Amino acid sequence: DIQMTQSPSSLSASVGDRVTLTCRASQTISSSLNWFQQKPGKAPKLLIYVASTLESGVPSRFSGSGSGTDFTLTISSLQPEDFATYYCQQSHSLPLTFGGGSKVEIK
Amino acid sequence: QVQLQESGPGLVKPSQTLSLTCTVSGGSVSSDTYYWSWIRQPAGKGLEWIGRIYASGSTHYNPSLKSRVTISADTSKNQISLKLSAVTAADTAVYYCARVGYCTGSGCHKEFAYWGQGTLVTVSS
Repeated sequence: DIQMTQSPSSLSASVGDRVTLTCRASQTISSSLNWFQQKPGKAPKLLIYVASTLESGVPSRFSGSGSGTDFTLTISSLQPEDFATYYCQQSHSLPLTFGGGSKVEIK
Repeated sequence: QVQLQESGPGLVKPSQTLSLTCTVSGGSVSSDTYYWSWIRQPAGKGLEWIGRIYASGSTHYNPSLKSRVTISADTSKNQISLKLSAVTAADTAVYYCARVGYCTGSGCHKEFAYWGQGTLVTVSS
């Protein structure tokens, strides 16, 4: 199985901050990497697919980059509605696997 | 707009079989443009992919659960089903069904683009 490791596991940030989350795969996955946002009590929401393509309707302050084994999700200016847990997920090979999540909290 | 709705017993006894249904509206489970997945999430923990089913009936399962899982489709009811046998407390989780964005001849795109709201299943005697 491909292991996905996210860092940090949690962080505190303020509205307006630039936030960068990292995801590392245990082996190369090309660009087969997706990012999800999950708020308490809700289903995850797809934000970015194939590493850097913004899902329709997702604000442009979200961006993704990377390929191979190292990926980042950046929020250029954190908004109140962005406080949530973010998960990366690889679609390169079965079984599909998720990272452990990065929780973004209010400072 | 596609909508997915999970349903089933919220409480299952240990060693019994967990059975859930995902009712789909706004799309057909028999369409070869999509495939359908089950994912679960224990309280306060991360996400685990359980498996998926294609319109052809072909399935893929997570090896960690493969011996206990069956995913099937009922095209007459436009539903996807999950059965997980011999459950233990470790199977207590919110269970989600999800759909890929779309599939073309070149492959499938936008994994887990659509999700149900999830249903909590507790395994307890």
